[in-house]
Parts: sequence; structure tokens; C-alpha cells
Amino acid sequence: GDSVTQMEGPVTLSEEAFLTINCTYTATGYPSLFWYVQYPGEGLQLLLKATKADDKGSNKGFEATYRKETTSFHLEKGSVQVSDSAVYFCALSDQSNTGKLIFGQGTTLQVKP
Amino acid sequence: NAGVTQTPKFQVLKTGQSMTLQCAQDMNHEYMSWYRQDPGMGLRLIHYSVGAGITDQGEVPNGYNVSRSTTEDFPLRLLSAAPSQTSVYFCASIQGNTGELFFGEGSRLTVL
Repeated sequence: GDSVTQMEGPVTLSEEAFLTINCTYTATGYPSLFWYVQYPGEGLQLLLKATKADDKGSNKGFEATYRKETTSFHLEKGSVQVSDSAVYFCALSDQSNTGKLIFGQGTTLQVKP
Repeated sequence: NAGVTQTPKFQVLKTGQSMTLQCAQDMNHEYMSWYRQDPGMGLRLIHYSVGAGITDQGEVPNGYNVSRSTTEDFPLRLLSAAPSQTSVYFCASIQGNTGELFFGEGSRLTVL
């Protein structure tokens, strides 16, 4: 079945460092891909998404490109801030858009001043 | 802007007790779902609904029941709680034309 694999955390970086969180997926068809972020004590919120191959999603300085050839959707940010400390989830959905997202296990990011 | 509202935020149960987690959304979304979040396992889909009167099972449905009598509400019932159901539960509604999920703040359940 469909699955999502994220790099294990926690990831600890200094402020202004470059961030990469790896995400690869296995799916039939052409899923949409998402990154969700969960700040401490809160629910998840959408960070960015891409719906077809070679699309680049971006938001708040974060970017991820839908790479069909490598089945990847890696999250990047050029300069992280302390406020970016959170848990990041990669997810995929099929084209039915019925709320059936498949999530990776989450990667905790801690940014130190 | 209420969005998705879940209650209660915290609950402690004894094994065998029953309870209902409430979920309501005010965005008129047709699709709603329930997930549980466990350490190291991400979020796993319990049940989902594509509209009032229609529900279906997700990845981990055992021990849970749902109903969808209105577009707004999607309660999750635990009929006989077990320690394995200790988790954080998230309700979500989905914007059909974008596929984006809107999550509630979560309900932390402990079963002793």
C-alpha cells in the first residue's frame, strides 16, 4: 500500500542554518504531496503542497519539489529561526481528496539561538 | 473563525469505560476524518466521512465507532476503552477542491 518515509529526528540546528528534511513515498497513481507542521500543543496545519510532478510548493521560506523520478518531496529552508521549532509531517493523498492522507512519522526540528 | 473544534482536550478513562470525542466544523466541508497520533508513528486514519450519512473505515478502525448525522458534526465513540487507545486524537475536515486538511487542536486520551 501507499506509504511515506521521513528522515528520523530530532534535528537540531543553530539559527540561520540550512534545513533539509527528507521525505520519500511509495504510491500508485499520482498522489498529491503535503508538508504539515505541528507547533507545541497545537494541531497540524498545512505548510505547503504540490499536486503534480515538478511542482514546487513554498510558504514562509520553506520549499519542497515534487520529484516523481526519485519519489521524493524533501523540505528545505535556507535560514531557520527559533520559531521554526516544531514537528514536520510529510503526507500524501490520492486523487479522491476524501481526507485519506497517509502521514510519515514526523520529524522534530529544534532550532537553538 | 472557529474552524474545527474538538472536545474534550484532555480525558482520563478506566479500562472498559466508554466515551465520545466531539468534533464540529463550521466551514461547510463535506469530508471529515479522525486520526490518532502516537510517538514515532505519525498520524493514522481511524475513520472518515465523505458526507452526512456516509462513513468508512480507515487504517485503524477497531474499537471505534463514528456517525455523521449532519455536515457539521463527526463524533468518535470508544465503546470499551483499552490502554492501547491511549493517544492524541485529531479531527480534521478537508476542503474538497484543494485537498487541504484543517485540524482541530487535538484530544489527549489516557486509558488506565
